[in-house]
Amino acid sequence: EAGVTQFPSHSVIEKGQTVTLRCDPISGHDNLYWYRRVMGKEIKFLLHFVKESKQDESGMPNNRFLAERTGGTYSTLKVQPAELEDSGVYFCASTRGGRGGTQYFGPGTRLLVL
Amino acid sequence: ELKVEQNPLFLSMQEGKNYTIYCNYSTTSDRLYWYRQDPGKSLESLFVLLSNGAVKQEGRLMASLDTKARLSTLHITAAVHDLSATYFCAFSYNTDKLIFGTGTRLQVFP
Repeated sequence: EAGVTQFPSHSVIEKGQTVTLRCDPISGHDNLYWYRRVMGKEIKFLLHFVKESKQDESGMPNNRFLAERTGGTYSTLKVQPAELEDSGVYFCASTRGGRGGTQYFGPGTRLLVL
Repeated sequence: ELKVEQNPLFLSMQEGKNYTIYCNYSTTSDRLYWYRQDPGKSLESLFVLLSNGAVKQEGRLMASLDTKARLSTLHITAAVHDLSATYFCAFSYNTDKLIFGTGTRLQVFP
């Protein structure tokens, strides 16, 4: 079974530009999560999808961040316009249906905003 | 505030030695997780601990949970170089979102 994949693996953009990150969860996993790790800090939760619906978006930092999961398969996380403090590693994770399953993580996208 | 304190942040240990990583969390938890991350790779699930007194072992790693003390430990026995990685603990509370510690970067040297 293929794991969670994320694209791109790295992105370097200038402040004010737009970046879109993509996550493909494990096939059949209804739950999809986004997390972020800013340099030297904890990994922090951003949001949780159940299929195509946002279950919890309490961790989204501000309205420059837009997450979508059309059709309940892959998800995108768009940052527009990007700011310097958005730099970090963005992780995606997925689980099958129901609460409490082990979250399987992707390798992350390393975003650097200059 | 939902918070996890993990220590030490960095751990350099000699092969063959034993050591423990500590994870204190701030509130009653549904579940306590340990993950391992190699540089540039995914977080790999090691253990999920569900109840007070739970102990799980896999190879040279053993994790335990004391819900009354809100403490989990990850014990490393007779470390080998392959265990070099960053180890994260995380807990969940009433929701699916994971609250992570800062991670412990472990380096095992000969």
